[in-house]
Amino acid sequence: AQSVTQLGSHVSVSEGALVLLRCNYSSSVPPYLFWYVQYPNQGLQLLLKYTTGATLVKGINGFEAEFKKSETSFHLTKPSAHMSDAAEYFCAVSDRGAQKLVFGQGTRLTINP
Amino acid sequence: DVKVTQSSRYLVKRTGEKVFLECVQDMDHENMFWYRQDPGLGLRLIYFSYDVKMKEKGDIPEGYSVSREKKERFSLILESASTNQTSMYLCASSAQGALWAQHFGDGTRLSIL
Repeated sequence: AQSVTQLGSHVSVSEGALVLLRCNYSSSVPPYLFWYVQYPNQGLQLLLKYTTGATLVKGINGFEAEFKKSETSFHLTKPSAHMSDAAEYFCAVSDRGAQKLVFGQGTRLTINP
Repeated sequence: DVKVTQSSRYLVKRTGEKVFLECVQDMDHENMFWYRQDPGLGLRLIYFSYDVKMKEKGDIPEGYSVSREKKERFSLILESASTNQTSMYLCASSAQGALWAQHFGDGTRLSIL
């Protein structure tokens, strides 16, 4: 069965610092991988996705993630944090042809001025 | 702009009541989903539907049922509400073949007293 583990339920960084949110997955077949963001009092929005091709994928708002098959990881990064990045971030996985996504536990990102 | 609308942002009900949560999408999407979101647990899939009158159990269907009589509307029903169903409920929709591109509503925060 697929599963997703996000390391760290809370991450706090200073404005301008590197953001690194960790995601590891388990899947018996090559997966599709996703990051979603949830701003306060809103639903989730797709940030970026990996399906096939280039393993470094770029998303909205300056975020990117790299699929590393050998490490079963899909960590999310942003070179310089902005106050508006404060939100909860969810990693998700699906098998090709699957009908549903499996979400991680979420990581709440706090940005310190 | 695409829109998934959940009928209530906040709802308070009593134990044993039958509760209806409504979700409407205006994107002509085939797939619709109901999740519950709890701190530390991420999003867990309750039910999903890939066509009118079709439904599939997700990971935690116990205590819930759904109805999809029209393509744009997907209802979640708590047959006899219990306090452990106090949670945030999120509805989402996606086009056929684009499972990952789920559009989410803003959520309904349900409290069962």
